[in-house]
Amino acid sequence: GQSLEQPSEVTAVEGAIVQINCTYQTSGFYGLSWYQQHDGGAPTFLSYNALDGLEETGRFSSFLSRSDSYGYLLLQELQMKDSASYFCAVRDMDSNYQLIWGAGTKLIIKP
Amino acid sequence: DGGITQSPKYLFRKEGQNVTLSCEQNLNHDAMYWYRQDPGQGLRLIYYSQIVNDFQKGDIAEGYSVSREKKESFPLTVTSAQKNPTAFYLCASRGGQGGHQPQHFGDGTRLSIL
Repeated sequence: GQSLEQPSEVTAVEGAIVQINCTYQTSGFYGLSWYQQHDGGAPTFLSYNALDGLEETGRFSSFLSRSDSYGYLLLQELQMKDSASYFCAVRDMDSNYQLIWGAGTKLIIKP
Repeated sequence: DGGITQSPKYLFRKEGQNVTLSCEQNLNHDAMYWYRQDPGQGLRLIYYSQIVNDFQKGDIAEGYSVSREKKESFPLTVTSAQKNPTAFYLCASRGGQGGHQPQHFGDGTRLSIL
């Protein structure tokens, strides 16, 4: 079946760096996306990787290794406003290119 | 400003009642989606539409219905057949065909049983 695994919760200190991992099992992998969702809010798009390697967007970077079915989101210079849930989602060819979502990682930032 | 508007923000359903959640977008996007989110879980796809007058079932379509008569609008009806409707419902849209094109979300509707 199709599944994505990510840690349920990660804790880090303000100003530090944190990595949120995502491993996936899908039959028709097309690309890996990351979304941020604050409590009670709408998910917002952060990044997309279709090819192996690192994509950098400001303080956030995302990495993909298709051979390992693995990706991660790296957040640098953590700020209190980064406290949110982070979801990885795979675009899957065998699901008519729809997104399959992980359960989310709650990032807790301590001062 | 372009965006997606969901209404109402909170909705209460009585037993045996159908309720309709509204989703309107002015982004000129062809594709629209409805997701259900339960506490501590990811998003599960209910229905999606890639073009006007066409829609497909997602993973958890039972007990729900949709229509797509206009490009801007994709209402979701939660029918009485949906026995556990309490959840956070999110509508999204997407423009273009490329895999990198993100989904844009509304602020959600929180549905509860009375």
